[in-house]
Amino acid sequence: QVLLHQRGAGLLKSSETLSLTCTVYGDLFSDYYWSWIRQPPGKGLEWIGEINHSGISNYNVSLKSRLTISVDTSKNQISLSLRSVTAADTAVYYCARRILTSSPLSWGQGTRVTVSS
Amino acid sequence: DIQMTQSPSSLSASVGDRVTITCRASQGIRNDLAWYQQRPGKAPERLIYAASTLQSGVPPRFSGSGSGTEFTLTISSLQPEDFATYYCLQHNIYPHTFGQGTKLEIK
Repeated sequence: QVLLHQRGAGLLKSSETLSLTCTVYGDLFSDYYWSWIRQPPGKGLEWIGEINHSGISNYNVSLKSRLTISVDTSKNQISLSLRSVTAADTAVYYCARRILTSSPLSWGQGTRVTVSS
Repeated sequence: DIQMTQSPSSLSASVGDRVTITCRASQGIRNDLAWYQQRPGKAPERLIYAASTLQSGVPPRFSGSGSGTEFTLTISSLQPEDFATYYCLQHNIYPHTFGQGTKLEIK
């Protein structure tokens, strides 16, 4: 059974860089797409972007100028970097796994990120 | 971007009721749609994928239907553990987009 374990700083100041990692345990890393999704407090889910094991990525255009999603196959790890954060980036961030032809099934535990001014 | 219009945004119902939630896509997405349940403080859990396929382990009172632009999630007989928030997700075209969510509350 696959486990997606997230790590990263939970408290940031405006203009800093949000950095999160998602490490995959218990299953093959390849042949999947790895997504990042966030949820502001009290609001709905927002798709941030995704990457596959070959490094092919797709981003939400609204975040693209500040966003980097990368993959490290040697560590079975996916990373999210969001630059120049503001209070609007305060959210719970999730990583999730899907196969190409389907929707995410396995999710990380979520990381609560708060941006203060 | 494809807009997913989910309705209603909230719903009050009783145990045993049959409820239906709808998602409309701003353009055709074939059957590239999933339904998720989210409980407070938890990650979403997939209930339905490919618009109508029940996720393994999910009770059969949940069902999905639709294709193209209109999709529904039906819960045939509400149980106490079903009171949660539900989201649809389209993964046909980037960026993938979620519906706004439906909060199902106990009447």
